[in-house]
Amino acid sequence: AQSVTQLDSQVPVFEEAPVELRCNYSSSVSVYLFWYVQYPNQGLQLLLKYLSGSTLVKGINGFEAEFNKSQTSFHLRKPSVHISDTAEYFCAVRPGGGKLIFGQGTELSVKP
Amino acid sequence: DGGITQSPKYLFRKEGQNVTLSCEQNLNHDAMYWYRQDPGQGLRLIYYSQIVNDFQKGDIAEGYSVSREKKESFPLTVTSAQKNPTAFYLCASSLTGTDSYGYTFGSGTRLTVV
Repeated sequence: AQSVTQLDSQVPVFEEAPVELRCNYSSSVSVYLFWYVQYPNQGLQLLLKYLSGSTLVKGINGFEAEFNKSQTSFHLRKPSVHISDTAEYFCAVRPGGGKLIFGQGTELSVKP
Repeated sequence: DGGITQSPKYLFRKEGQNVTLSCEQNLNHDAMYWYRQDPGQGLRLIYYSQIVNDFQKGDIAEGYSVSREKKESFPLTVTSAQKNPTAFYLCASSLTGTDSYGYTFGSGTRLTVV
């Protein structure tokens, strides 16, 4: 069965520092990979996705993620965070022909 | 603009009452989904529908019911059989049940039992 593991439940970081949110998945089939962001009391918004091609994917708000097939990882990065990046971030995989499978989420807290 | 509308944003229910959460989309998507979100538990799938007049149970369907009579609409009823209904409920849709795209989410309904 496919699964998604977000390795950190909470990540505190100071403003303007770099951040990496880690995501590993297990799947025996090709998958599509996604990162979503959720601000308090709101729905999920798509940050970026990997379908095929270049393993470095750029998304909105200055975020990027790198697909590593050998390590089955899809870590999310931002070189310099802002207070407004404080939110919960979800990694998700969609096995070919299947439903989205979500990780448990990572709370990013950006402090001044 | 196309999107998903969930209503109401906040809902209060007395114990023993059924309540229905609305989810409407104008994206012409075939597939729709309902998730429940509790602090620290991520998103858990309640029900999903890949086509009109058809739906399947997700991981936590007990105490919930749905209908899919129209492509645009996928209402969720939280019945009195759901023992702990207080949660944030999210509706989502996708082009089909098997495409390579992600889901589009509504803004959620927060249900509180009083």
